[in-house]
Amino acid sequence: AQSVAQPEDQVNVAEGNPLTVKCTYSVSGNPYLFWYVQYPNRGLQFLLKYITGDNLVKGSYGFEAEFNKSQTSFHLKKPSALVSDSALYFCAVRGGLSGGYNKLIFGAGTRLAVHP
Amino acid sequence: NAGVTQTPKFRVLKTGQSMTLLCAQDMNHEYMYWYRQDPGMGLRLIHYSVGEGTTAKGEVPDGYNVSRLKKQNFLLGLESAAPSQTSVYFCASTRAGEADEQFFGPGTRLTVL
Repeated sequence: AQSVAQPEDQVNVAEGNPLTVKCTYSVSGNPYLFWYVQYPNRGLQFLLKYITGDNLVKGSYGFEAEFNKSQTSFHLKKPSALVSDSALYFCAVRGGLSGGYNKLIFGAGTRLAVHP
Repeated sequence: NAGVTQTPKFRVLKTGQSMTLLCAQDMNHEYMYWYRQDPGMGLRLIHYSVGEGTTAKGEVPDGYNVSRLKKQNFLLGLESAAPSQTSVYFCASTRAGEADEQFFGPGTRLTVL
């Protein structure tokens, strides 16, 4: 069965420092991996996705993510965090057999807090 | 383009009452989804549709029904609301390609007393 794990409920980082939000996945077949961000009282916004090719994917707002097939991970990164990056981040996977490509499976989310 | 819109934004129900949540998208997307978001649990798929007139169950379908009579609309119904259905509900849509991202509506906050 498909699954996504975000091992950290919350990540705290100082403004200007690099940030990493972790995600691991389990899916049969080739995965399509996504990161979304949710600001308070808003819907989810797409940040970036991995389909195939280069393992380092660049997305919106200076975020990037690294796909690692051997570790089944897709960690979200940013070289220099901003206070405005504070939000809830979700990793999601699309893939697998039996119609799995029709659906996204989400992780539980990681709250990122960037302190001035 | 308005993208994905949801009606209503907020609603308070009493146990046993019924209601319908409306989702509309103007992007000509084939697939549409209903999720619920609860603290610490991420988004869980309730029902989804891969085309007009077709629906399928997701992870947590009990207590909900859906209909997709028009391509641009996806309705979520609660026939007899229960306090356990207190949640924030999100609708999303996407093209039919395997790798396409989903676009989300702003959400409906539902409280069942």
